[in-house]
Amino acid sequence: DGGITQSPKYLFRKEGQNVTLSCEQNLNHDAMYWYRQDPGQGLRLIYYSQIVNDFQKGDIAEGYSVSREKKESFPLTVTSAQKNPTAFYLCASSLGGHFYEQYFGPGTRLTVT
Amino acid sequence: DQQVKQNSPSLSVQEGRISILNCDYTNSMFDYFLWYKKYPAEGPTFLISISSIKDKNEDGRFTVFLNKSAKHLSLHIVPSQPGDSAVYFCAAMVSGSARQLTFGSGTQLTVLP
Repeated sequence: DGGITQSPKYLFRKEGQNVTLSCEQNLNHDAMYWYRQDPGQGLRLIYYSQIVNDFQKGDIAEGYSVSREKKESFPLTVTSAQKNPTAFYLCASSLGGHFYEQYFGPGTRLTVT
Repeated sequence: DQQVKQNSPSLSVQEGRISILNCDYTNSMFDYFLWYKKYPAEGPTFLISISSIKDKNEDGRFTVFLNKSAKHLSLHIVPSQPGDSAVYFCAAMVSGSARQLTFGSGTQLTVLP
């Protein structure tokens, strides 16, 4: 069963701690993306990666970091430098080439207090 | 500056009738458009897309119309069903670039039985 998995579904952290969100896909997709959704808003792009060992900043990359050591995995670290880390985080992937559709995982709700 | 706008935060429609969700964009470089459906605390699900070389694309009960001169697209759902109740996001991209999706803020569709 192919798809994108994000774990955990809910995550709680204390302010000042770094936290890493997991994203794994077995769709053999080349590109992967991280988005953030806040209440009443659309999704905003944090980071994206078109190929392994390469990634670029999106619109709101400050306070976040990523790695892409394997095609299947694209973890996102929310650092203590991120001023408003509480949000719903969504990972997506796409095949690339002439296929533009992005497919999303179930998301991780991060709450920082 | 919001490049993709969904000006109606909510829409209520009677079951069996047509639902029309609207989206406007300002960036004339956008050439590929997508609609996603999202339930609370879940990732968005891809619904339908359209390239700028077309003005209509149909898939079952879902039809997307694109008016390039007006920089406007719409999603028609006919007939509407209670299970269609969700938030619908319009998204746009420049296909020749890194394929970053720019999302609208979403429209909450409620289909009344």
